[in-house]
Amino acid sequence: SAVISQKPSRDICQRGTSLTIQCQVDSQVTMMFWYRQQPGQSLTLIATANQGSEATYESGFVIDKFPISRPNLTFSTLTVSNMSPEDSSIYLCSVEKGTGVFSEQYFGPGTRLTVT
Amino acid sequence: GQQLNQSPQSMFIQEGEDVSMNCTSSSIFNTWLWYKQDPGEGPVLLIALYKAGELTSNGRLTAQFGITRKDSFLNISASIPSDVGIYFCAGPTQGGSEKLVFGKGTKLTVNP
Repeated sequence: SAVISQKPSRDICQRGTSLTIQCQVDSQVTMMFWYRQQPGQSLTLIATANQGSEATYESGFVIDKFPISRPNLTFSTLTVSNMSPEDSSIYLCSVEKGTGVFSEQYFGPGTRLTVT
Repeated sequence: GQQLNQSPQSMFIQEGEDVSMNCTSSSIFNTWLWYKQDPGEGPVLLIALYKAGELTSNGRLTAQFGITRKDSFLNISASIPSDVGIYFCAGPTQGGSEKLVFGKGTKLTVNP
C-alpha cells in the first residue's frame, strides 16, 4: 500500500483566485493521478502525472485550468485556476502500486474545496 | 467510454444484516477493485480481484470477479455501524491499465 498526504485538507476560496493542492507519498511511485469528486458524485479522473513528462489530461480537463507539476517520484501538485463555484469539489490524488493487471491505486484523504 | 453500473444506489439496513451490492459493465474488465469512502475521507481499497471467477475475502467482506468478466459483487456479512459509507467499484479502462473508471457508488446506512 501507500501512505499519501494532501495539503490543504480543505479551503474556502473566492472566485477568480487559484489554489494549489499538494500531494506527498511515502514511497517512490511512477504513476500519480488527480481526481475530482463533485458533491454526491463519483470520482472523475482529471489527469495522469508522470515524473519528467507533461501530465496527460482527460477529456473535459485542460492544462490552463488544472496545471500539474510532478517534480519528483514522491510529490505532485494540482492547481485549480481562476476558480468558479462550479469548481467546488473534493480533489483527490492517488498513486499506482504494482504492475500491469496486478496494479492497484491508493488514494489520499482529499482536499475539500469550496468556491464562493 | 467504459461505464460501470453499480447497484443499488443506496441501502438502509439493520445492524447484523448481510449486504450485497454489484457492479456490471457492457465491457470486459481484467481487474475489479472495491473501495469504501467514509465522509470527509479518500477512498480506501478493500479488495482487488484479478481473475475471472476469483472469490476473495477480507474479514467480513467477500467479493467475486464474475465469470464473464463483466460484473463483480461485494458482500458484507453481519454488518456493523462502522460499515456505513459509500462503496465504489472500479476497474481499469481499455487501452491503459492505470486509468480507473468508477461506478457511481452504493451508499450504505446501518441502523444500530
